Amino acid sequence: GAVVSQHPSWVICKSGTSVKIECRSLDFQATTMFWYRQFPKQSLMLMATSNEGSKATYEQGVEKDKFLINHASLTLSTLTVTSAHPEDSSFYICSAPVLGGGTDTQYFGPGTRLTVL
Amino acid sequence: GQQVMQIPQYQHVQEGEDFTTYCNSSTTLSNIQWYKQRPGGHPVFLIQLVKSGEVKKQKRLTFQFGEAKKNSSLHITATQTTDVGTYFCAAMFSGGYNKLIFGAGTRLAVHP
Repeated sequence: GAVVSQHPSWVICKSGTSVKIECRSLDFQATTMFWYRQFPKQSLMLMATSNEGSKATYEQGVEKDKFLINHASLTLSTLTVTSAHPEDSSFYICSAPVLGGGTDTQYFGPGTRLTVL
Repeated sequence: GQQVMQIPQYQHVQEGEDFTTYCNSSTTLSNIQWYKQRPGGHPVFLIQLVKSGEVKKQKRLTFQFGEAKKNSSLHITATQTTDVGTYFCAAMFSGGYNKLIFGAGTRLAVHP
């Protein structure tokens, strides 16, 4: 099946710094990618929809200026957590849909575990 | 807003027992998908249900989509220790631009 990669797989940073997370579709093009956040033992919460060549669409309650999303190419979307604080520590996962063939499958990246000290 | 309720939150079973998790929406869904997430891992796609009343099987797993396309279930027959993980339903709503809304998940523990 389709492969989505994320980098880094884990990151530890100091409070106040910014962290960039990359999401790549390795063997297919993705005009849309989704960013989720998952706190321990909780479900995946959709943060935003990343659209290639245009602005991201953010879910209610997600700060646009804090979580910067850039989708510069058909295979890469980046999420930057600006001025990170301990409460931003979480598991960030991206996904990209593979459309057609009767199944709109979402392929998830392996996730990035962010710890803010 | 768009949300999907999933129960139970946890399920502990003895190996060999059956297991079922349920998802429900107040709004008609475009489709519903099921994912499995192992501890420390990422969600892995299991199946997608699109048609009203659809039933799909994958070995010991049976997936159902309600007639009204508002509810769905995943049933595992004769659980094995390899079935351990969290099972999520994820709903796609009409006009949702492929956006998935996840249920809370059901964490399955299987005791040998």
